[in-house]
Amino acid sequence: KQEVTQIPAALSVPEGENLVLNCSFTDSAIYNLQWFRQDPGKGLTSLLLIQSSQREQTSGRLNASLDKSSGRSTLYIAASQPGDSATYLCAVRVRGNTGKLIFGQGTTLQVKP
Amino acid sequence: GAGVSQTPSNKVTEKGKYVELRCDPISGHTALYWYRQSLGQGPEFLIYFQGTGAADDSGLPNDRFFAVRPEGSVSTLKIQRTERGDSAVYLCASSQGLAGDRLYNEQFFGPGTRLTVL
Repeated sequence: KQEVTQIPAALSVPEGENLVLNCSFTDSAIYNLQWFRQDPGKGLTSLLLIQSSQREQTSGRLNASLDKSSGRSTLYIAASQPGDSATYLCAVRVRGNTGKLIFGQGTTLQVKP
Repeated sequence: GAGVSQTPSNKVTEKGKYVELRCDPISGHTALYWYRQSLGQGPEFLIYFQGTGAADDSGLPNDRFFAVRPEGSVSTLKIQRTERGDSAVYLCASSQGLAGDRLYNEQFFGPGTRLTVL
């Protein structure tokens, strides 16, 4: 059974710091991995999607890496800003004829001015 | 529309009542998903539609939960005899399909319906 874990559960950093969020999964038979952002009381905003054949994806100050063999992904945020404060969720799409995503519990990030 | 929309945004009901939650996916998206998110947790998969048919309903917790997508666009999640444990945010997502290309796989989420069962 696929399980997704995110560490740490919460993180507080001063503005301007570079930071790394971690995601691990137990079954490497995935189709892709997706990182999302969730603001309080809101839905999920897709940040980056990495196919299983890819190693990383970049969008602006965000860079996500994928090491499928070790079951790990990281989300790197450069030069953090207070507007980056949110919960970040990673999710893997399992192999098979389903679009089911298995989510981690999320990392809640606070960036202090 | 521009994004996935869900109605209502909030629903308060009494234990034992029947509720319907609606999802309007992004126009042209053939795949539609329902998830449930409890406080402090990541979303949990409920059901996936490809077109009008439910291709995977393995996440529905019991037979009180049912979902339809009769015309391959709008979907309704139906919950009978609601229980307090059904209280959660119900999220809907859509994607273009399930082909191998990244463009087709990416799931876009709506704002959710917060269901409270008293």
